[in-house]
Amino acid sequence: EPEVTQTPSHQVTQMGQEVILRCVPISNHLYFYWYRQILGQKVEFLVSFYNNEISEKSEIFDDQFSVERPDGSNFTLKIRSTKLEDSAMYFCASSSAVAGVADTQYFGPGTRLTVL
Amino acid sequence: DQQVKQNSPSLSVQEGRISILNCDYTNSMFDYFLWYKKYPAEGPTFLISISSIKDKNEDGRFTVFLNKSAKHLSLHIVPSQPGDSAVYFCAASAWGSNYKLTFGKGTLLTVNP
Repeated sequence: EPEVTQTPSHQVTQMGQEVILRCVPISNHLYFYWYRQILGQKVEFLVSFYNNEISEKSEIFDDQFSVERPDGSNFTLKIRSTKLEDSAMYFCASSSAVAGVADTQYFGPGTRLTVL
Repeated sequence: DQQVKQNSPSLSVQEGRISILNCDYTNSMFDYFLWYKKYPAEGPTFLISISSIKDKNEDGRFTVFLNKSAKHLSLHIVPSQPGDSAVYFCAASAWGSNYKLTFGKGTLLTVNP
């Protein structure tokens, strides 16, 4: 069964450093997402990406964040200068939704980001 | 922002009995609802969904009921099994929102043998 994969599973970084989290969505999916879950809190939407551009972003997704689909398979989330409060589980998701019709989002296993 | 609420942080049931997990929402623009199951240190796993044009959807042991007038949905698991023990998240999306999901806080279900 196709699945979303994410690397690395755990990333430890120093405050102020740049990190890149990687995801390989399900191959025929068209919509890609990043979510995060801070320990003990809800899963929160960060950004959605369709047709090689951001389609929506949350207030969390400020100038420190960026996303990219550098080739036909990878989808990345970059945090330019990490802060302590960026420590969280980051989940990538993808769906085959077409315009006007919602579809199931399938999630990857997550990357645990720890900022020291 | 509490657009999706799961008011019970935990639920404990006996194996073989029915588990009922509840979810309320406030945004009347939501038109697609999903339930996900999550184990520690793993990503959410899709269980079942329902669109707002239906009031019930069934898949094996899992049934989701939607009451639009009450802005309430519930997930029924019957019979419950110990392997069902996990955190269950209710999520919703609205047409025109680029399908971003808004999640509840989750309910920890424990099924006792």
